[in-house]
Amino acid sequence: GAGVSQSPSNKVTEKGKDVELRCDPISGHTALYWYRQSLGQGLEFLIYFQGNSAPDKSGLPSDRFSAERTGGSVSTLTIQRTQQEDSAVYLCASSPPDPLTDTQYFGPGTRLTVL
Amino acid sequence: GDSVTQMEGPVTLSEEAFLTINCTYTATGYPSLFWYVQYPGEGLQLLLKATKADDKGSNKGFEATYRKETTSFHLEKGSVQVSDSAVYFCALSDRSSQGAQKLVFGQGTRLTINP
Repeated sequence: GAGVSQSPSNKVTEKGKDVELRCDPISGHTALYWYRQSLGQGLEFLIYFQGNSAPDKSGLPSDRFSAERTGGSVSTLTIQRTQQEDSAVYLCASSPPDPLTDTQYFGPGTRLTVL
Repeated sequence: GDSVTQMEGPVTLSEEAFLTINCTYTATGYPSLFWYVQYPGEGLQLLLKATKADDKGSNKGFEATYRKETTSFHLEKGSVQVSDSAVYFCALSDRSSQGAQKLVFGQGTRLTINP
């Protein structure tokens, strides 16, 4: 079946612009995670959704970062007033509703470059 | 907080050599442990996992055993192939009070296998 998809695959933007990154999880997966992979920091957790609510936003680095999820499916990560340090690969992952399952399935990522 | 430390790379081996990539962790709870692999140009894929002490995860000839006494989860393969060239990430997950099974990753180890 279809895996997790993300768009765009690459995004180049100028410092100060806003960007939106999209994630389509595997159908039926209720949990959705965003991570960031950067050279300096490795792979870091950003935010967790269960359905449409985000009970854990502890990894968002600043208030310029926000995310939403609608219909228990698609999620959008928004970065406002981008800075060069936001350059990274943004990864989305989803996992099924079974609370005993802790396997996350990752998308291919969006590579963000802030000039 | 929880953390994962893995063997720094890069690691270069000849085909059919024995592989070990060391991974140790620090966690307050009882985490699940994972190895993820990232092939060139592709997204993160789950390689294997173990959910409790003394469990052995295995896949594609790779193995790792959850050792609670040494807080380790070393990855091994008896005979590597050129197609195993990739970046390998050790990770743990522990369910947070908000219900998130967020993954904490090691820094990654780049493995190159020469024919």
